[in-house]
Amino acid sequence: AQSVTQLGSHVSVSEGALVLLRCNYSSSVPPYLFWYVQYPNQGLQLLLKYTTGATLVKGINGFEAEFKKSETSFHLTKPSAHMSDAAEYFCAVTYYGGSQGNLIFGKGTKLSVKP
Amino acid sequence: GAVVSQHPSRVICKSGTSVKIECRSLDFQATTMFWYRQFPKQSLMLMATSNEGSKATYEQGVEKDKFLINHASLTLSTLTVTSAHPEDSSFYICSATTRAGREQFFGPGTRLTVL
Repeated sequence: AQSVTQLGSHVSVSEGALVLLRCNYSSSVPPYLFWYVQYPNQGLQLLLKYTTGATLVKGINGFEAEFKKSETSFHLTKPSAHMSDAAEYFCAVTYYGGSQGNLIFGKGTKLSVKP
Repeated sequence: GAVVSQHPSRVICKSGTSVKIECRSLDFQATTMFWYRQFPKQSLMLMATSNEGSKATYEQGVEKDKFLINHASLTLSTLTVTSAHPEDSSFYICSATTRAGREQFFGPGTRLTVL
C-alpha cells in the first residue's frame, strides 16, 4: 500500500528565507510523486512531478524537489520565499501503471510567509 | 491547455434539496474524471472515479445513491448531491485525465453549504 507523510502541518518562514516542505512516501513499487499548491477556495495546481529520469525536478514559481529513493523522500524547496507563496501544499503519490484514482495525498502543509 | 472548470463555484441550498455540480474539461477529452471532497484544513479524499460511458466506481464509505455521478461525454461529468444535509457541506473538487496521461488536472472546486 502507498502512503504519504508530510511533516509539519504548518510552516512559517520570513520573506526571502529558504522554504523546505517535507514529504516522505511509502510505496512497494517505483512511485510517481507530485507536489500541488492550493490557494484558499481554489483547486489544486501542479507545482512539479517526478516520474522517471532526473531525480531533481524543477517546477513552477521557483520550486524544486528531489526524489531520494534511499530516504523515501520528495521534499519541496524554494531558495527565497515570496509573500505570494503563502498557501497549502500537498504531496501526492501514485505509481506507474496504477489507476490515476490511486493518487494518494498527504495531509497538507500550510505555508505562511512573514514580511 | 489542460483546463478543467467547475460550475457553480459556490452554492448554498436548503436541507433536503438536491444540488448538481458540473465538471468540464475545456480543451481535452477526459476519459476519466475524479471527484474529491475536502473538509476544512484537511486533505482531499477521493469519492469516486468515473469513466466516460460507464458507471462510476465509488470509494468505500461513499453512498452512491446520495452522490450521483454521471460522465455522459468526454468533456463533462456531473456530481449530484441528493437530499443534501448540513453534513454534506464541503469543498468538492473534480479532476480529469486523458487516456494516455498519468497526470490529473484539477478543477477550481465548488463550495457547497447546506443550511
